Amino acid sequence: DSGVTQTPKHLITATGQRVTLRCSPRSGDLSVYWYQQSLDQGLQFLIQYYNGEERAKGNILERFSAQQFPDLHSELNLSSLELGDSALYFCASSDSGRNYGYTFGSGTRLTVV
Amino acid sequence: SQQGEEDPQALSIQEGENATMNCSYKTSINNLQWYRQNSGRGLVHLILIRSNEREKHSGRLRVTLDTSKKSSSLLITASRAADTASYFCATDRSGGSYIPTFGRGTSLIVHP
Repeated sequence: DSGVTQTPKHLITATGQRVTLRCSPRSGDLSVYWYQQSLDQGLQFLIQYYNGEERAKGNILERFSAQQFPDLHSELNLSSLELGDSALYFCASSDSGRNYGYTFGSGTRLTVV
Repeated sequence: SQQGEEDPQALSIQEGENATMNCSYKTSINNLQWYRQNSGRGLVHLILIRSNEREKHSGRLRVTLDTSKKSSSLLITASRAADTASYFCATDRSGGSYIPTFGRGTSLIVHP
């Protein structure tokens, strides 16, 4: 157990639907990062939150959004899903000083059918 | 574009041999990190080396960093079948947003 909890582990949904992925960071970590990993694109950074505020944006589609709540857990919302959105979605957290690297969750495998 | 790029893309060795993977990056960094990912699982942080360090060890892992060449290497000594995984490097850029960006990884297979 890395300390970063992601739910659900697996998700199968139809095109056009909307899903929410959840992440609880390691205790004490204020930063949360979302990544998408697919076979053809590798590990792509989507978005970062720090203590409830959006800090940085990467290759995140407009159909995707995220937020971080006061208790520091984060949710990634994916809407109008397409087949190409099928991927592993990882959440990572870090301490404010990034002294110990980033701690990743075990991911959510999303399959869009 | 990817900040870190690993080389080779794939590596196949026998148990007991050493495995060396390389990482190249493009901009100045604060630190560089190596991660391991078993198939379909999350990334596990292996080692972090700061820009003012040249070499770091952790168990059977040895990491070097050459900031003049913007490259790093990860050496796994006396490899085991359990080392079979993908290995990624990630860089923490200096002077900008601290977003770890990953390469596509090196897929290591260690044959028993």
